[in-house]
Amino acid sequence: DIQMTQSPSTLSASVGDRVTITCRASQSISSWLAWYQQKPGKAPKLLIYKASSLESGVPSRFSGSGSGTEFTLTISSLQPDDFATYYCQQYNSYWGLTFGGGTKVEIK
Amino acid sequence: QVQLQESGPGLVKPSQTLSLTCTVSGGSISSGSYYWSWIRQPAGKGLEWIGRIYTSGSTNYNPSLKSRVTISVDTSKNQFSLKLSSVTAADTAVYYCGWGDTVTTIDYWGQGTLVTVSS
Repeated sequence: DIQMTQSPSTLSASVGDRVTITCRASQSISSWLAWYQQKPGKAPKLLIYKASSLESGVPSRFSGSGSGTEFTLTISSLQPDDFATYYCQQYNSYWGLTFGGGTKVEIK
Repeated sequence: QVQLQESGPGLVKPSQTLSLTCTVSGGSISSGSYYWSWIRQPAGKGLEWIGRIYTSGSTNYNPSLKSRVTISVDTSKNQFSLKLSSVTAADTAVYYCGWGDTVTTIDYWGQGTLVTVSS
């Protein structure tokens, strides 16, 4: 199967910081990579699809990049509402959807 | 905008079959070309995709769960359902239903429902 590895698992940052989360796939997934934000007790919310396309309504401070096996999610200026857990997710025609282990963004 | 609501028993005994339903509102489950998914999340852990059904009725399942999973749709009730057989404590999780207009993402999620497997 395709393994998705996120780093770091936890990240401490302050409001206004630039934050970068990395996701690595165990094999090439082209650009079939999405990012989700999840807050405690809530369902995940789609932020980025096809590695770098911003979902409608998502603030422009969120951006995604990468292709193949290495991808990043960047928050250009961290806001109070952004403290949450972030998951990457790949799509493969055989394995379907696979999620990374998550990155928790905490207040420093 | 499509809204999704999961429902079903919150407690299932080991070796039995877990059955959940997702009710779709704000749109018809049989119109358009959409993918209706189930995902689960054990407490404090990450997300696991279980499988999905396409508007046409075709299904795709997580290979690791395929032998135990059935996803079906009831267009008359605007619902789709999950059945997971031979459950164990490892199947205890919050179960989400989701919707996507492409095969690559889950665009909208239900609020989730906790299912505990215990005798």
